[in-house]
Amino acid sequence: DGGITQSPKYLFRKEGQNVTLSCEQNLNHDAMYWYRQDPGQGLRLIYYSQIVNDFQKGDIAEGYSVSREKKESFPLTVTSAQKNPTAFYLCASRQGDEKLFFGSGTQLSVL
Amino acid sequence: EDQVTQSPEALRLQEGESSSLNCSYTVSGLRGLFWYRQDPGKGPEFLFTLYSAGEEKEKERLKATLTKKESFLHITAPKPEDSATYLCAVQAGGGATNKLIFGTGTLLAVQP
Repeated sequence: DGGITQSPKYLFRKEGQNVTLSCEQNLNHDAMYWYRQDPGQGLRLIYYSQIVNDFQKGDIAEGYSVSREKKESFPLTVTSAQKNPTAFYLCASRQGDEKLFFGSGTQLSVL
Repeated sequence: EDQVTQSPEALRLQEGESSSLNCSYTVSGLRGLFWYRQDPGKGPEFLFTLYSAGEEKEKERLKATLTKKESFLHITAPKPEDSATYLCAVQAGGGATNKLIFGTGTLLAVQP
C-alpha cells in the first residue's frame, strides 16, 4: 500500500542534542512538508520541498534543518538551537494542488 | 494576510444530535479548501476538497459546503465514533508556492 512512513513514533531529546525524524513516502509525490502541532494550535509549517535538492523555510523554521536528496525521503533534524522542541511532528506529501497525505506522526519530548 | 478561523473550538453533542462546524477564511484567491479528521496521536485523515462556492460533498454522516467566505461541515445524527478533531485548510492562489494554511481545529465529542 502506498503511504507515508514516519519514524520513530516517540523520540526523546536530551539538552544540547540534535535529533533526526525520518519521513519516507512511496506515493511518487513531488512535494513534501513538515508540520509541528502543539496542543490547542493548528498545524504550523516548518519546511517544505517541491522538488529534489530544493527546499524552503516555512513559518517556524528556526532551530530546524532538512534535506531532500531523494524524492521519497525528507528527514527533519531538530537542532539544539530549538529551545522548545516538545511537540507532535507531522510529515506530509502531495502532488500538485491535490490533497495532502499525512504520516502517523512523531511525538518528540525533552528529557 | 491569509487566515483561516475555525469555530467552535470544542463541541459536545449527544448521539443523534446534528450540528455544524464552521471554517471561515480570508485568502487572496481560493484554490481549494480541505477538511481533515484527526484522532488523538495520529496524523490527519482526508475527508473532502472543495474548490468553488456552491460546491457540496458528502460522505456518510458528513456533508461539506462552501461559500465565498466560509465552509461548513454538517454532521447528521452523529455517533460516538465521529468524535475527533476536525481540521480545515485552505490553499491560496497568490504566489508560487502550494502551501496550505490550517485552522486550529474543532474538537468534537459525541456522547452515547
